[in-house]
Amino acid sequence: LAKTTQPISMDSYEGQEVNITCSHNNIATNDYITWYQQFPSQGPRFIIQGYKTKVTNEVASLFIPADRKSSTLSLPRVSLSDTAVYYCLVGDKGDSSYKLIFGSGTRLLVRP
Amino acid sequence: DTEVTQTPKHLVMGMTNKKSLKCEQHMGHRAMYWYKQKAKKPPELMFVYSYEKLSINESVPSRFSPECPNSSLLNLHLHALQPEDSALYLCASSHRQGRTMNTEAFFGQGTRLTVV
Repeated sequence: LAKTTQPISMDSYEGQEVNITCSHNNIATNDYITWYQQFPSQGPRFIIQGYKTKVTNEVASLFIPADRKSSTLSLPRVSLSDTAVYYCLVGDKGDSSYKLIFGSGTRLLVRP
Repeated sequence: DTEVTQTPKHLVMGMTNKKSLKCEQHMGHRAMYWYKQKAKKPPELMFVYSYEKLSINESVPSRFSPECPNSSLLNLHLHALQPEDSALYLCASSHRQGRTMNTEAFFGQGTRLTVV
């Protein structure tokens, strides 16, 4: 699987938009980009997935440039409850031995 | 039902004990995973089961023994663990159709294991 690089931590304030960027320079043609959120002592939770351009759901948006070597998770108007670790994963959706490997993640702290 | 249920939530065991962690899902997922997570670290993949067969073992020590008795259940049998095996153990599942594995996985809340 392509290795991912994310900032270790980010700080924000309630009501702000937060953008977390992930680098995946070695992403393969068939790789999808998936983001998970994890709260302390809980399992990760799927947020969003994309292949190219922009994907939006009720929780977040995912922006992927044409070269796909990076992606940006955008969280609109964060609240205190968005304080969590966010993981970016890349992997081949069609790979029979797909491993779902987590990188180091970004620890987001939302302040009042 | 979009839940992955893990039991027990907490477990304390001695180094000579034998115990099992259990994971259950009823979403029809045919791929199931075990992860180990230490404090402030990302989850580390241990095992992947696909259609009830072990497809990936990430060089996990034999004191951890996985079992998938049917498509809804996944067990992790523990024997002769070391204190450094203390961690949060997470189970996950995802759809698998033919050769395609979906990257949207559902995780359980984990079992907090302490080895004394």
